[in-house]
Amino acid sequence: DAKTTQPPSMDCAEGRAANLPCNHSTISGNEYVYWYRQIHSQGPQYIIHGLKNNETNEMASLIITEDRKSSTLILPHATLRDTAVYYCIVSTQGGSEKLVFGKGTKLTVNP
Amino acid sequence: DAGVTQSPTHLIKTRGQHVTLRCSPISGHKSVSWYQQVLGQGPQFIFQYYEKEERGRGNFPDRFSARQFPNYSSELNVNALLLGDSALYLCASSFLQTQYFGPGTRLLVL
Repeated sequence: DAKTTQPPSMDCAEGRAANLPCNHSTISGNEYVYWYRQIHSQGPQYIIHGLKNNETNEMASLIITEDRKSSTLILPHATLRDTAVYYCIVSTQGGSEKLVFGKGTKLTVNP
Repeated sequence: DAGVTQSPTHLIKTRGQHVTLRCSPISGHKSVSWYQQVLGQGPQFIFQYYEKEERGRGNFPDRFSARQFPNYSSELNVNALLLGDSALYLCASSFLQTQYFGPGTRLLVL
């Protein structure tokens, strides 16, 4: 079973920041938080990952709480192309072990 | 740079047949994983291979098998197809801490 909890759906206005929450209250000290997204019928796309520090790349920012029990993925200026299912996953070695996907959050960006 | 490639993109089979799906990882990636995604669900892990050896297996029946070749490409084989095997089959290649997914093969079993 997935070790994360996400809201099933969210809406966001185009051009606004999209803040996607994820609860991972049972995360272990050596587990990373990974975010992927899946646009309809395509393969999941890696977005970002982090251990305990906040991370930022060209796609998004990842904010992890100090106790590491929750995190937020931030898309700073959402576009219609960001409409997708977003998955939050915890993993000790995301490259070399299985990823356990939950149902994710369906983000709809509205014009 | 070329990403993970999978073939074929779509496939239709009938119950009882077998199918072979193929995956080419990103250049330099030595690990390949396979996932099954049925409609409305997140991907479910099937296998992981690293340097031609099986590193992990998910909760799938023995009808599912896979192998990895010296060039790190991989095949997923499914025998005695059932209607419930209809799904999107995803391949991911790994480098360091991250898996990168291909576009998938959509299998329909009639």
